[in-house]
Amino acid sequence: DSGVTQTPKHLITATGQRVTLRCSPRSGDLSVYWYQQSLDQGLQFLIQYYNGEERAKGNILERFSAQQFPDLHSELNLSSLELGDSALYFCASSGGFPGGEQYFGPGTRLTVT
Amino acid sequence: TQLLEQSPQFLSIQEGENLTVYCNSSSVFSSLQWYRQEPGEGPVLLVTVVTGGEVKKLKRLTFQFGDARKDSSLHITAAQPGDTGLYLCAGGAETSGSRLTFGEGTQLTVNP
Repeated sequence: DSGVTQTPKHLITATGQRVTLRCSPRSGDLSVYWYQQSLDQGLQFLIQYYNGEERAKGNILERFSAQQFPDLHSELNLSSLELGDSALYFCASSGGFPGGEQYFGPGTRLTVT
Repeated sequence: TQLLEQSPQFLSIQEGENLTVYCNSSSVFSSLQWYRQEPGEGPVLLVTVVTGGEVKKLKRLTFQFGDARKDSSLHITAAQPGDTGLYLCAGGAETSGSRLTFGEGTQLTVNP
């Protein structure tokens, strides 16, 4: 158990809908990272937050947004969903130091039908 | 842009064999991490190496960081079916803050 929790575990929704994925980091970790992993692909970095502020952006679509709340949990919002958004979404946390280790949650499997 | 290339992409071996997977870059990293991921689950951190030339052993797994801190290898001795999974390397650099650059992974299958 990494100490990072993600909910829900599975999510099935229709195209055009909006969903929210939730992540709680390890106790003491200030930084949260979101990744997307499609079938047969590696981890694609989406966005990072540190202590409530956006720190880095990767290949995140404009239809996607995220935030980190004062209690350090984070939410990833996906809107106007398309079939191609079906993937595993992982949250990871770290202390936020350069080169620091990241600890991953169990992921949310999103299926868009 | 920093890139990490892993090889081989796929590896299927018999139980008891030895194997090595590689992680290479043209960029220098301040740290290099290895993760193992099983289907449908999150990656699990195996080891972090930070010093050029560093070697770390974790039971049957040996990790090495290149002298120039641009590459790393993972060697598994006497592989077991439980070693099956996707092995990911990830590099951290001072210029990237705490963000990691991930390789595409090596999918290892150990057949009984």
